[in-house]
Amino acid sequence: RKEVEQDPGPFNVPEGATVAFNCTYSNSASQSFFWYRQDCRKEPKLLMSVYSSGNEDGRFTAQLNRASQYISLLIRDSKLSDSATYLCVVRTNTDKLIFGTGTRLQVFP
Amino acid sequence: DTGVSQDPRHKITKRGQNVTFRCDPISEHNRLYWYRQTLGQGPEFLTYFQNEAQLEKSRLLSDRFSAERPKGSFSTLEIQRTEQGDSAMYLCATQRQGAGEKLFFGSGTQLSVL
Repeated sequence: RKEVEQDPGPFNVPEGATVAFNCTYSNSASQSFFWYRQDCRKEPKLLMSVYSSGNEDGRFTAQLNRASQYISLLIRDSKLSDSATYLCVVRTNTDKLIFGTGTRLQVFP
Repeated sequence: DTGVSQDPRHKITKRGQNVTFRCDPISEHNRLYWYRQTLGQGPEFLTYFQNEAQLEKSRLLSDRFSAERPKGSFSTLEIQRTEQGDSAMYLCATQRQGAGEKLFFGSGTQLSVL
């Protein structure tokens, strides 16, 4: 079983749609959680951290469920520029940062 | 420009040859990670350093792979006796411990083994 699992997609959605991505992790001692964004042929960049109480940054909302070892990312009012791969990242109890396989999003006009 | 520099940007080699990649971190970033990424996959953890100490190495990594960070600044990743399956993008990422969790990535080294 992979340490961090994501649905690879692709998710094809129209502009203005709301889309949600899920991620599960296997190490219950994992300490911190993040979403990174990766554009085609570019390096990953931090989108947002995920806090236990849930957090929001503009159109993006992240949630963490430690009991179910589950993380989610919600994007509201999708823009064409949101098209990218979204990577779920977990920091383990040994400070190793593990990436999921990524979920590809394509927003169309 | 994230400030993490990797060299070379591209490397083409023949099977069986040794290759070495270099990563120069942002100054004061004491944590340095190496990842490997292939098309359609997320970055796969290889190893990481805190200062000059190599704290963890992936169990998936064969003995042909070795990494060093001798003075706690730049790091090198060497692959001996390369195989076609080693073809991938090799990414370096650095982080300043205690200053938030943000990883800063370099542009990567694209390795092609013929």
